[in-house]
Amino acid sequence: DAGVIQSPRHEVTEMGQEVTLRCKPISGHNSLFWYRQTMMRGLELLIYFNNNVPIDDSGMPEDRFSAKMPNASFSTLKIQPSEPRDSAVYFCASSGRRSYGYTFGSGTRLTVV
Amino acid sequence: KQEVTQIPAALSVPEGENLVLNCSFTDSAIYNLQWFRQDPGKGLTSLLLIQSSQREQTSGRLNASLDKSSGRSTLYIAASQPGDSATYLCAVSGRRIQGAQKLVFGQGTRLTINP
Repeated sequence: DAGVIQSPRHEVTEMGQEVTLRCKPISGHNSLFWYRQTMMRGLELLIYFNNNVPIDDSGMPEDRFSAKMPNASFSTLKIQPSEPRDSAVYFCASSGRRSYGYTFGSGTRLTVV
Repeated sequence: KQEVTQIPAALSVPEGENLVLNCSFTDSAIYNLQWFRQDPGKGLTSLLLIQSSQREQTSGRLNASLDKSSGRSTLYIAASQPGDSATYLCAVSGRRIQGAQKLVFGQGTRLTINP
């Protein structure tokens, strides 16, 4: 199993541009989570899905952020328009119905200049 | 709202020492607790998972304990090595809501093992 796959690994963009982060969960896992990590705030849960349905998006900072999971093997996190304060590492994680643990991807380091 | 605290924030010890990292959580109604390791610039690697019905889990030189009633967990590292240097994160999950459990993380303990 290749694990949770995130792309791109690094993204540098200018303020105001649209950014799309991608995640492929582990095959068979039915829960998917998007986290953001910063030095100041640590790891924050943004949104999570179960069986492709968003369950809790209360962690999404504002309307500029949106996430979708069109099928069991793919999810996107979009920021439009991006701002410098969105600079962080964004992690995707998945968990299975019979698995109590989480598997994290390697993250996407986003820099908005 | 669940809050997770890890103490100390940073720890530096000489190689070979045994050490303990601490984690506390405010809501004892957890489903499980997981310890992760994060190397600089890398993702999170799961080390140990303790179900709420368990008291401890062991993997090699690592031992994690859980005391739900007091809202505490410890990660014990025996015979520390320079390769153990990393940030260690504690995370707790509550009961499944609509089939999914969300993890709440502590801020982590940055561990440095000096040769």
